[in-house]
Amino acid sequence: DQQVKQNSPSLSVQEGRISILNCDYTNSMFDYFLWYKKYPAEGPTFLISISSIKDKNEDGRFTVFLNKSAKHLSLHIVPSQPGDSAVYFCAAGAKEYGNKLVFGAGTILRVKS
Amino acid sequence: ETGVTQSPTHLIKTRGQQVTLRCSSQSGHNTVSWYQQALGQGPQFIFQYYREEENGRGNFPPRFSGLQFPNYSSELNVNALELDDSALYLCASSTRGALLNEQFFGPGTRLTVL
Repeated sequence: DQQVKQNSPSLSVQEGRISILNCDYTNSMFDYFLWYKKYPAEGPTFLISISSIKDKNEDGRFTVFLNKSAKHLSLHIVPSQPGDSAVYFCAAGAKEYGNKLVFGAGTILRVKS
Repeated sequence: ETGVTQSPTHLIKTRGQQVTLRCSSQSGHNTVSWYQQALGQGPQFIFQYYREEENGRGNFPPRFSGLQFPNYSSELNVNALELDDSALYLCASSTRGALLNEQFFGPGTRLTVL
């Protein structure tokens, strides 16, 4: 039962353009959503998060949008840079689940220069 | 401040063997979570340890067990290894009650079961 889904295994974007990574979830208990970035041979590193009481959170080039009614969130990267090339994981959590995170399968982002 | 470290980096075992993976949590963190990341998938929660006791468990069989020590470091033990146990094993440390984004991951241990 995949509670968090990232339906695009990969995405290729030109440097300077916008990258949009999508994520869907099914569990209404989730109240906190996170995006992690992962390079090969490294653990996931936290990128940006959003609480369910908000619909947008911005941090520099990264913006996360949350549509609770559609159970959908997206990560926008503007402008995309070659160093952004990595695997991006969407993750969700809930107060009831403590520190447990439920991850999607990830999207490989390639930013071409 | 030391980050999360894991050992060993890589490990090769054969079916039926037992393995122990180790994790040192970030300074000041008292909670350790373990995740399994199979090829092409996202990390899956195995269990979490707080104050040396298991505090939450995912959908993994009892042959996956763990320990947490007084210094908050942790071990993941897997008995009777199966081929499907081949994966990257990640640990994450945090402070109980902290925000979910204050959970820091180690680089992982790559386990190959032949």
